[in-house]
Amino acid sequence: GAVVSQHPSWVICKSGTSVKIECRSLDFQATTMFWYRQFPKQSLMLMATSNEGSKATYEQGVEKDKFLINHASLTLSTLTVTSAHPEDSSFYICSARGTGSGSTDTQYFGPGTRLTVL
Amino acid sequence: SQKIEQNSEALNIQEGKTATLTCNYTNYSPAYLQWYRQDPGRGPVFLLLIRENEKEKRKERLKVTFDTTLKQSLFHITASQPADSATYLCALASGSSNTGKLIFGQGTTLQVKP
Repeated sequence: GAVVSQHPSWVICKSGTSVKIECRSLDFQATTMFWYRQFPKQSLMLMATSNEGSKATYEQGVEKDKFLINHASLTLSTLTVTSAHPEDSSFYICSARGTGSGSTDTQYFGPGTRLTVL
Repeated sequence: SQKIEQNSEALNIQEGKTATLTCNYTNYSPAYLQWYRQDPGRGPVFLLLIRENEKEKRKERLKVTFDTTLKQSLFHITASQPADSATYLCALASGSSNTGKLIFGQGTTLQVKP
C-alpha cells in the first residue's frame, strides 16, 4: 500500500516551454501533497504544500507564478513549470500524506521526475 | 532557524557489521522524526517514524532512537548487507505537526562492502 506515482519519469524540453508533472496516490486518498526539488548531491528542498481543493502554499523564494500547482482531487496533484529555463533543470519529487486513521504524518514519495531544460 | 545535520556524508562498513547514522537538530522541538532511504535517481522510501514521546522504534534489522534532550536521533542497521547501500535521510516535522511539512537533512551515503 501507500504507492505514489509520478509522470513523466523524465522530460527534456526547450527553454521557454512549459512542462507539467503529475503526482498520483494510487491506493489511498491524499489530503495533502508536497512538491520538492533536489539538485545533485543535495537534499530535498520543499517547494510547496498542496491541499486538495485549495491554493498551494509556497515556500519562501519559490515563485508561485512559475511553478503552478493544482490539486484538483484527493489522488492527483500537478506541478507545471512555466517558461522553463536551464536553471530549472532538477529532480522534482512529490509526496503524499494520507487521510483516515493511522499515521497521517508519514509522507510517501513518488519516484521523481528528472527535468532537463536545454 | 531550524537546522538539521547528519553526521557524515559517507559511511563505509563491512558486511555483517552494524551501521549507525546520526541526525542532530537545533533550534526547535519536532513532534516526530522520520528516516528515509534514497537510491540514486529515485524518490525517498519511508523506513521509520518515531514520535517525541518514544525513545526507540524497531523494524526488522532497523532501529531508531530519539533523544529529545540531546536533540539527536540514531539510526542503526544491524547485520548490514551490500543491498543496504544507499543514501539515508532524516526528516523532522517542521513547526506544527498538522502541516505535515518536513525538513530534510543532507543525507548520509552508506556503502556496505562484501
